[in-house]
Amino acid sequence: GAVVSQHPSWVICKSGTSVKIECRSLDFQATTMFWYRQFPKQSLMLMATSNEGSKATYEQGVEKDKFLINHASLTLSTLTVTSAHPEDSSFYICSARGDINNQPQHFGDGTRLSIL
Amino acid sequence: DAKTTQPPSMDCAEGRAANLPCNHSTISGNEYVYWYRQIHSQGPQYIIHGLKNNETNEMASLIITEDRKSSTLILPHATLRDTAVYYCIARAGGTSYGKLTFGQGTILTVHP
Repeated sequence: GAVVSQHPSWVICKSGTSVKIECRSLDFQATTMFWYRQFPKQSLMLMATSNEGSKATYEQGVEKDKFLINHASLTLSTLTVTSAHPEDSSFYICSARGDINNQPQHFGDGTRLSIL
Repeated sequence: DAKTTQPPSMDCAEGRAANLPCNHSTISGNEYVYWYRQIHSQGPQYIIHGLKNNETNEMASLIITEDRKSSTLILPHATLRDTAVYYCIARAGGTSYGKLTFGQGTILTVHP
């Protein structure tokens, strides 16, 4: 089945630093990638959608200058959390899909971000 | 995308079939029903999806009612590893983005 790889799986860093999370589709071309955030005991919340070569579309309430998304190729998208603070600590999950409309999205295993 | 309603939790004995219901009474004609599950501290795993016909794959079966207002995910022989949160999502198949909106899902607990 389709594989989406996310890296790193766990990161701890100091407040004020920037953190980059990578999401790769390993065996298909991901025309669309999605970034989600999940707080403990809550469901996944979509943060943004990106198409390869285009600017990301952010959901309401998500700061685009804080969560920088780059989708420069059909197999790689990155999420950079800039000037991270403790309230940004969360479980970040990416997903990817190809260019067939009813094709399912496939998810990475998530990145647990802890800001001290 | 249509709102879906699922019971918050269900129990199932190991080896028995787990039948997880989902209500999507406002689903429109071009919306597919997708099922995902999330095991603790992992990303969601795709299970199955369908439009109006029943579907079966190596993981599960999806039964969609004729009026498409509800569906049931069937895990034929549940194991302890099937303990997870199961999400039922209605999503239009014709949009170019097709984002998935997750609800609270059903916590399925499989016990020995």
